[in-house]
Amino acid sequence: GIQVEQSPPDLILQEGANSTLRCNFSDSVNNLQWFHQNPWGQLINLFYIPSGTKQNGRLSATTVATERYSLLYISSSQTTDSGVYFCAVRGNQGGKLIFGQGTELSVKP
Amino acid sequence: DSGVTQTPKHLITATGQRVTLRCSPRSGDLSVYWYQQSLDQGLQFLIQYYNGEERAKGNILERFSAQQFPDLHSELNLSSLELGDSALYFCASSVGQGARGANVLTFGAGSRLTVL
Repeated sequence: GIQVEQSPPDLILQEGANSTLRCNFSDSVNNLQWFHQNPWGQLINLFYIPSGTKQNGRLSATTVATERYSLLYISSSQTTDSGVYFCAVRGNQGGKLIFGQGTELSVKP
Repeated sequence: DSGVTQTPKHLITATGQRVTLRCSPRSGDLSVYWYQQSLDQGLQFLIQYYNGEERAKGNILERFSAQQFPDLHSELNLSSLELGDSALYFCASSVGQGARGANVLTFGAGSRLTVL
C-alpha cells in the first residue's frame, strides 16, 4: 500500500519563529489532508490539498503531486500551534485515508 | 465543533467487557469512518461505511464490529476487551461521492477508551 513519511518527527520552536513540515508519499494520490491534533486530542482539518497551494492565515500548504510531497508552512508560530501535525493521503486506487506518523511541534513562549 | 458527534467522550472499563461507541456524522455526509489511535500504532483505519453499507475494511479485529444505521449514525462495538484496546477511537465523516472534495474527512472529538 501507499507509504506516508513525515519529517521532522519532532520540532521545538520559539514563539514567533517559522517552520516547514514535510510529507512524502509513495504513490499518486487523489486526497491529501493536513490535520492538527491539539493537546486535548482533537483532530482539526487544516487543508484538503491533493495538489497546488492554499493559505489560511498564518498557515499555508503546497502539494507537488508529480514529485509526491507536500509541505505545511507555519509562520509567526504561537503557543497554540503546539500539538501533532498529521499528513494523510488516499491513493488514486481509492481506499482508506492513510496517516503519517506525525510531526510533534512544541512552541515555547 | 466539527459537526461529527461522538459519544461517550471517555470510557473506563475492565478486561473482558464489551462497549459501544457511537458516532453521528455531519449533516449531509453519507460516509462514516472509524480510526483507532494508540500510542504505539499511530492512527489506524478500522472500517468505512457508505450509506449503510460496508465500503472498506482495515485492521479491524474480529472482536470489533461496526454498523451504520438508516439514519446514518454509526456504532463501533468492541468486545472481549483487552488492555491493548485502550486507545482513542475516532469517527470521521465525508460526503462520500461526487464532486472533488467529496472525500474530505472531518473528524469527531474522539472517544477515549481505557481498559483496566
